[in-house]
Amino acid sequence: ETGVTQTPRHLVMGMTNKKSLKCEQHLGHNAMYWYKQSAKKPLELMFVYNFKEQTENNSVPSRFSPECPNSSHLFLHLHTLQPEDSALYLCASSQDRGGLTRNYEQYFGPGTRLTVT
Amino acid sequence: QKEVEQNSGPLSVPEGAIASLNCTYSDRGSQSFFWYRQYSGKSPELIMSIYSNGDKEDGRFTAQLNKASQYVSLLIRDSQPSDSATYLCAVLMFSGGYNKLIFGAGTRLAVHP
Repeated sequence: ETGVTQTPRHLVMGMTNKKSLKCEQHLGHNAMYWYKQSAKKPLELMFVYNFKEQTENNSVPSRFSPECPNSSHLFLHLHTLQPEDSALYLCASSQDRGGLTRNYEQYFGPGTRLTVT
Repeated sequence: QKEVEQNSGPLSVPEGAIASLNCTYSDRGSQSFFWYRQYSGKSPELIMSIYSNGDKEDGRFTAQLNKASQYVSLLIRDSQPSDSATYLCAVLMFSGGYNKLIFGAGTRLAVHP
């Protein structure tokens, strides 16, 4: 496996279900991100993890619960979602060297297309 | 004021023409800028990064940066129908001890034969 992988690629779940999205990066990066992309809306940054520590939570509802057990893996646990949560969920990773940097690149996984019924 | 602004388009150009995509940003201290391409239903793909004023060329793509005017642009020469996608401008922000990208809403490019 190379780059950033995400599973599952497609997920349909009812509002009472509990499911988890998984992301794995094979780039040796130290930072991982969850984004939400709804139809015709810009990318929304949800969570940021640096060295496994959560450094940003962008006012995301508690029905989304992230977990970062190590710097290569990131999960997004989902429970009691709403239909408006249907979107493309993207994971990304980067090597964050701290401070203003000119050597930063962020790579995305293929995404999980989530449909809440 | 949005932090990163792009015209949503669609920008329609004929095959073989130059497509010009523009982006403005609000943080005068920003140092690093990126262009991503996103095909419909796919994830964003990094195609260019630029850090210094001026032009940076990579194949048919040229990124241009003007920090004094706070704008970044992407030129695509000899546009092909396969270039039809949404192009996202992103600016690197350092805040709270870590870096993150601020994305624009994207410009949809349509290249017609």
